[in-house]
Amino acid sequence: QVQLVQSGAEVKKPGASVKVSCKASGYRFTRNDITWVRQAPGQGLEWIGWISAFNGNTNYAQRLQGRVTMTTDTSTNTAYMEVRNLRSDDTAVYYCARRFSYYDSRGFYLYYLDFWGQGTLVTVSS
Amino acid sequence: DVQMTQSPSSLSASVGDRVNITCRASQDISNALNWYQHKPGTAPKVLIYGASTLQSGVPSRFSGSGSGTEFTLTISSLQREDFASYYCQQSYSVPRDTFGQGTKLEI
Repeated sequence: QVQLVQSGAEVKKPGASVKVSCKASGYRFTRNDITWVRQAPGQGLEWIGWISAFNGNTNYAQRLQGRVTMTTDTSTNTAYMEVRNLRSDDTAVYYCARRFSYYDSRGFYLYYLDFWGQGTLVTVSS
Repeated sequence: DVQMTQSPSSLSASVGDRVNITCRASQDISNALNWYQHKPGTAPKVLIYGASTLQSGVPSRFSGSGSGTEFTLTISSLQREDFASYYCQQSYSVPRDTFGQGTKLEI
């Protein structure tokens, strides 16, 4: 069965960096993109970006552009997300999710997030 | 980027009620719209994809409709386990996805 298992909670000081891992199992890792999403306390879901596990192509939300880097290690089927220069408003639960893509009956390319990691709490506090 | 506006932001309802949650896109996104349920302390779960297709294993009381710029998630008869937050997500504006701001469904 498909599983995404994330690394444990982190506490960081402002200005530091954090790297969260997401280990995939139960499917061919390179066939699906990995999306990262976060939820700050009391807020909704925020899309951070995605990475192609096939070729490493990435796309990031403008709000985090320049501070976030997503990578994959196909030898261990693991995706990573690093956020640098952390601020207090980066405090959130971070999720990885598998992106399932398909073509509908009209030939349109569509996708959705079908399996999710359990979430990693990142707390930024001095 | 495509902006998604959900309404209402919160909703009080009772077991057995029929509930509608609306999501509006800032431009035509065809049927590239997904719905997720999120309960505290758990990972979000996809309910509906492609605007109206029920994800495997999701109860049939959930349904999705709409296309273009206006979409609706309907829960036909609320059950206690349905009290959660719900989010729409557009998958049209490749490569950037967008979530709606969420709807908190409370008793």
